[in-house]
Amino acid sequence: GENVEQHPSTLSVQEGDSAVIKCTYSDSASNYFPWYKQELGKRPQLIIDIRSNVGEKKDQRIAVTLNKTAKHFSLHITETQPEDSAVYFCAASTSGTYKYIFGTGTRLKVLA
Amino acid sequence: NAGVTQTPKFQVLKTGQSMTLQCAQDMNHEYMSWYRQDPGMGLRLIHYSVGAGITDQGEVPNGYNVSRSTTEDFPLRLLSAAPSQTSVYFCASRTSGGAGGELFFGEGSRLTVL
Repeated sequence: GENVEQHPSTLSVQEGDSAVIKCTYSDSASNYFPWYKQELGKRPQLIIDIRSNVGEKKDQRIAVTLNKTAKHFSLHITETQPEDSAVYFCAASTSGTYKYIFGTGTRLKVLA
Repeated sequence: NAGVTQTPKFQVLKTGQSMTLQCAQDMNHEYMSWYRQDPGMGLRLIHYSVGAGITDQGEVPNGYNVSRSTTEDFPLRLLSAAPSQTSVYFCASRTSGGAGGELFFGEGSRLTVL
């Protein structure tokens, strides 16, 4: 079945440094790739998404890149701040299936 | 708008007991779904619905039942709770149609089965 692998499981960076989280998906028909941020004890919330007809998307300090050939996509956070500390989940979805398959999450710690 | 509302927020059950987790949304979303979140496992899809009267299984449906009689409500039933069902459960909804779209999550329901 569909699978999304996410790495690393934990990531610690110094404040101001960049953080990169990578995901690989198995279903070549997947065409929508969102990223969710979950703060401790809170619900997951969408921070950025990308569709398969786009290679890169940016929103201020965060960006997502997509390589359809290799079937992987990445989240990039620049100039990290303590409030970026959270668990980040990637996901993949395919038109018509209505299923979102999530990765196992990355716990990001930004050290002040 | 309240968004997606889940009840209860916390529940402790004994093995074999039954219960229903409630989920309601006021955004007129056709798509609703239930996920469970376990440490190191991410969010796994249990069941989902694309409209009233239509439900389908996700990745981990065993031990759970759902129904969708109205657009607003999508309850999740545990008929005979097992310790393996100890988890945090999230309900999520979105508009239907097209490829993808933002999932709006409820606050979660933490279930412990003894």
